[in-house]
Amino acid sequence: DGGITQSPKYLFRKEGQNVTLSCEQNLNHDAMYWYRQDPGQGLRLIYYSQIVNDFQKGDIAEGYSVSREKKESFPLTVTSAQKNPTAFYLCASSIGDRGQETQYFGPGTRLLVL
Amino acid sequence: DAKTTQPPSMDCAEGRAANLPCNHSTISGNEYVYWYRQIHSQGPQYIIHGLKNNETNEMASLIITEDRKSSTLILPHATLRDTAVYYCIVRAPNTGNQFYFGTGTSLTVIP
Repeated sequence: DGGITQSPKYLFRKEGQNVTLSCEQNLNHDAMYWYRQDPGQGLRLIYYSQIVNDFQKGDIAEGYSVSREKKESFPLTVTSAQKNPTAFYLCASSIGDRGQETQYFGPGTRLLVL
Repeated sequence: DAKTTQPPSMDCAEGRAANLPCNHSTISGNEYVYWYRQIHSQGPQYIIHGLKNNETNEMASLIITEDRKSSTLILPHATLRDTAVYYCIVRAPNTGNQFYFGTGTSLTVIP
């Protein structure tokens, strides 16, 4: 099946710990994105990548880091510098930005701080 | 990207049409209107998008006013599984491809 997978579904982080959220897609999409969603709120963009080995900061990049070494993978690391990491994290992908391409979302990872 | 305004919540009887409005009075000529929905604790799901003309697919219809300042998403026969938050987004192509999701409309389909 084609699609976007995120793992794990739930993730627990201790204070001062870095954690990495996985996002994989087999849709052959060029662009990938990470969003954060807080309860009752819309989505906010953390980072996005239009092509392998390139990525840009979104609106709330502080305390997060990403890499894009392969087209199909876009992992997100939540560092200890992110003081309020508890949220629902969503990964998305699209063909690119040549026109009216839509974004397709994964099932999300819920991060909780212990 | 233009801002959108949606009612925070709506109810609809099962089997009836659900009409979800969206105002986007500052929309530019090259901005598309997109609709997504999000069922609780899942990723958003694409529904439909359009520029000027009305659009229809297997999920819904999108009606855009002639001046493009507002639109309506129509679910023709709402089911309980259509209970979700519906997001209206306007976006121009070639702008970094970011989608700005607001707080949307929480639609509850009532049996």
